[in-house]
Amino acid sequence: DAGVIQSPRHEVTEMGQEVTLRCKPISGHNSLFWYRQTMMRGLELLIYFNNNVPIDDSGMPEDRFSAKMPNASFSTLKIQPSEPRDSAVYFCASSSSGTGGTQYFGPGTRLLVL
Amino acid sequence: SQKIEQNSEALNIQEGKTATLTCNYTNYSPAYLQWYRQDPGRGPVFLLLIRENEKEKRKERLKVTFDTTLKQSLFHITASQPADSATYLCALDPDQGAQKLVFGQGTRLTINP
Repeated sequence: DAGVIQSPRHEVTEMGQEVTLRCKPISGHNSLFWYRQTMMRGLELLIYFNNNVPIDDSGMPEDRFSAKMPNASFSTLKIQPSEPRDSAVYFCASSSSGTGGTQYFGPGTRLLVL
Repeated sequence: SQKIEQNSEALNIQEGKTATLTCNYTNYSPAYLQWYRQDPGRGPVFLLLIRENEKEKRKERLKVTFDTTLKQSLFHITASQPADSATYLCALDPDQGAQKLVFGQGTRLTINP
């Protein structure tokens, strides 16, 4: 199994630009999570999907952030327009009822907004 | 307010000793608590899950306890090795029955040879 795949692994962009992060969950997993990790705030849940439907987006910072899951094998997290305070590592994770609540994380995307 | 706190930001232990990490929570009633390991530049990796009706869980050199009265979990690594050096995160389910997790800030563990 390839595990959770995220792209790009690193992204450097300028303030005001649109950023799109991508995630492919583990095949057969029906829940997908987007997290942001910073030194100050730790690992924070932004949004999660169950069976491709957004269940809880209470962690999405503001309207500049949006997430979609058009099918069971793909999700995107978009930031438009990006700001320097969005600089962080963004992780995608997946799970299923069969994993008993255990989440499997991708390698993360390190985002730097200048 | 709801909190999940790992008491030590960093912990240094001599090789061969037992490392003990603490996770406390406030105003949650989790069905389970999990521990993850995170190495620099990588995503967290699941280690152990302990349910509310379990007192203790073991896996090789790892042991986790869960005290719902104290609202605390302890994570032990016995016979610690330099390869155990990493950040360890505890996590709980804030909404019983849902898949969502809330994570602590993590404890950076260093095992000195």
